[in-house]
Amino acid sequence: DVKVTQSSRYLVKRTGEKVFLECVQDMDHENMFWYRQDPGLGLRLIYFSYDVKMKEKGDIPEGYSVSREKKERFSLILESASTNQTSMYLCAIPTADGGREKLFFGSGTQLSVL
Amino acid sequence: AQSVSQHNHHVILSEAASLELGCNYSYGGTVNLFWYVQYPGQHLQLLLKYFSGDPLVKGIKGFEAEFIKSKFSFNLRKPSVQWSDTAEYFCAVSYGGSQGNLIFGKGTKLSVKP
Repeated sequence: DVKVTQSSRYLVKRTGEKVFLECVQDMDHENMFWYRQDPGLGLRLIYFSYDVKMKEKGDIPEGYSVSREKKERFSLILESASTNQTSMYLCAIPTADGGREKLFFGSGTQLSVL
Repeated sequence: AQSVSQHNHHVILSEAASLELGCNYSYGGTVNLFWYVQYPGQHLQLLLKYFSGDPLVKGIKGFEAEFIKSKFSFNLRKPSVQWSDTAEYFCAVSYGGSQGNLIFGKGTKLSVKP
């Protein structure tokens, strides 16, 4: 199974700070995804990347950007953090299983913006 | 727009009770269906999945789900829940083999009383 590592389990930041969330995978997969998880809203796709330097907006990209300079690392960037970005952030890697995909998730980063 | 509906926000059961969590998805052709579970303080894990074949899918920990194409449903079931099943459960759908681009339901929180 692929290993998905998110560098921080908990982060506390102040409004206006620039925030970097890191995700690293260990198996050379092209596709990587960033979701946020909020109570009552479930999981929502922020951005995804299908190769180095390639990115696509998901359903809620506003206020976020991403960086994929190396295949194994996919960073989510909050240029100027706001309180409504307090959330659990999950990185995910899709893998093939009998020709179809399933997702492996990292442990998540709980971000609190004060 | 394609969507996934989970009918119950919070379900409370006593141990040994039977469980059924509803999940419906909007029509969109070929689908892959998933149930994920998130135990308190832990990351998301795949519980079971349906790609094709037998519409009754067996997953881990005694869970199963039935794909009913005519009803666009993929309900999760367990005949006898345990206290350790307390968690949040997410239904997810991907359409047409779109790798990793899952649409998630909002989640159902299950609380099992010992």
